[in-house]
Amino acid sequence: GAGVSQSPSNKVTEKGKDVELRCDPISGHTALYWYRQSLGQGLEFLIYFQGNSAPDKSGLPSDRFSAERTGGSVSTLTIQRTQQEDSAVYLCASSRDLGQPQHFGDGTRLSIL
Amino acid sequence: AQRVTQPEKLLSVFKGAPVELKCNYSYSGSPELFWYVQYSRQRLQLLLRHISRESIKGFTADLNKGETSFHLKKPFAQEEDSAMYYCALSASGTYKYIFGTGTRLKVLA
Repeated sequence: GAGVSQSPSNKVTEKGKDVELRCDPISGHTALYWYRQSLGQGLEFLIYFQGNSAPDKSGLPSDRFSAERTGGSVSTLTIQRTQQEDSAVYLCASSRDLGQPQHFGDGTRLSIL
Repeated sequence: AQRVTQPEKLLSVFKGAPVELKCNYSYSGSPELFWYVQYSRQRLQLLLRHISRESIKGFTADLNKGETSFHLKKPFAQEEDSAMYYCALSASGTYKYIFGTGTRLKVLA
């Protein structure tokens, strides 16, 4: 595609439910990143993937958060047993390689009731 | 710990006036620094990176290691420069980006 695609664009769910957020990176980009942007905050790094290497999960805030990247392309960020503090915009970015400029998607706005 | 500080949440300037968006960082090694911009209803996009030493849309930014700053400057602001600006740091040997909280620039007619 022309750019990074994220779905859904908005997600409203009840506290305690699990959610899955999807990111489709730019074709050919080997690096993929997830960030979280809470209200009034900067972008908080969550995780990145590079090719077949083990992902850097150092930014995941708790073990309720996990992410996978299948076939080196599409990635899914899963949040289990959602809490109200998980409400934020979740942004995905991809780059041709690590260290190259990142291209961002439009984000998924997650609201936990 | 690595940190990026953007002290101004909102900066308002008149069209044609100079603008400087401040960015300070905390990192003991050699950082790579970036400015990202988000225009209204658009995606976050790269504006410039310090290793390129280029001017994009009239903006420049110089890395000052002594002051640990990477301020974004433009001599004559335009209305279309109104946007949210984020400073970001990537520490050497890692590819995590540390973002500041952003500064909203409003250029008034």
